[in-house]
Amino acid sequence: DTAVSQTPKYLVTQMGNDKSIKCEQNLGHDTMYWYKQDSKKFLKIMFSYNNKELIINETVPNRFSPKSPDKAHLNLHINSLELGDSAVYFCASSQGPGATYGYTFGSGTRLTVV
Amino acid sequence: TQLLEQSPQFLSIQEGENLTVYCNSSSVFSSLQWYRQEPGEGPVLLVTVVTGGEVKKLKRLTFQFGDARKDSSLHITAAQPGDTGLYLCAGATGTASKLTFGTGTRLQVTL
Repeated sequence: DTAVSQTPKYLVTQMGNDKSIKCEQNLGHDTMYWYKQDSKKFLKIMFSYNNKELIINETVPNRFSPKSPDKAHLNLHINSLELGDSAVYFCASSQGPGATYGYTFGSGTRLTVV
Repeated sequence: TQLLEQSPQFLSIQEGENLTVYCNSSSVFSSLQWYRQEPGEGPVLLVTVVTGGEVKKLKRLTFQFGDARKDSSLHITAAQPGDTGLYLCAGATGTASKLTFGTGTRLQVTL
């Protein structure tokens, strides 16, 4: 009965490969997010979708492409992986605006590019 | 770019001690949240404060939002090993969905 689930938990891949991370929430929330946490534990927003519509698109290389097939799912596809993409990627959701309701985070996907 | 600086970066204390973590910015936020993150897990929301000067208590944790809504503090009384983790503040402007996270404070409480 996990609220926000991400798969896989760990991902080790070579430079140049393409990979996807999947996220699903069973909370009935309308808004979902992708955040990147670097080695210094700094969390930075990448994308946000509200009911399948992209509402936040930060300065992220266009090798990163989010897709939301429905409001319960938000996937992240990364093309041509680079060493600097190594980080922990967190999916999150919120009932309404994150400012009011806060986020519920998944447990993260640790991506290591070698 | 809004920046939330937390201090201290690291804190190692013994069980029973008190501590305060600070979250400062030059920007005004409409609301501010505190999260705790444990190794291998995502951050978990502790509290949201929205009014300048607001104080909220969660058992041994006391959260305060600065009068000007540019800063916040988290005070823990009689820390326990279970308080160990990474504490993150996060601010929002307006009714935005986007949260800007702070630089984090890593707390270790030992017996």
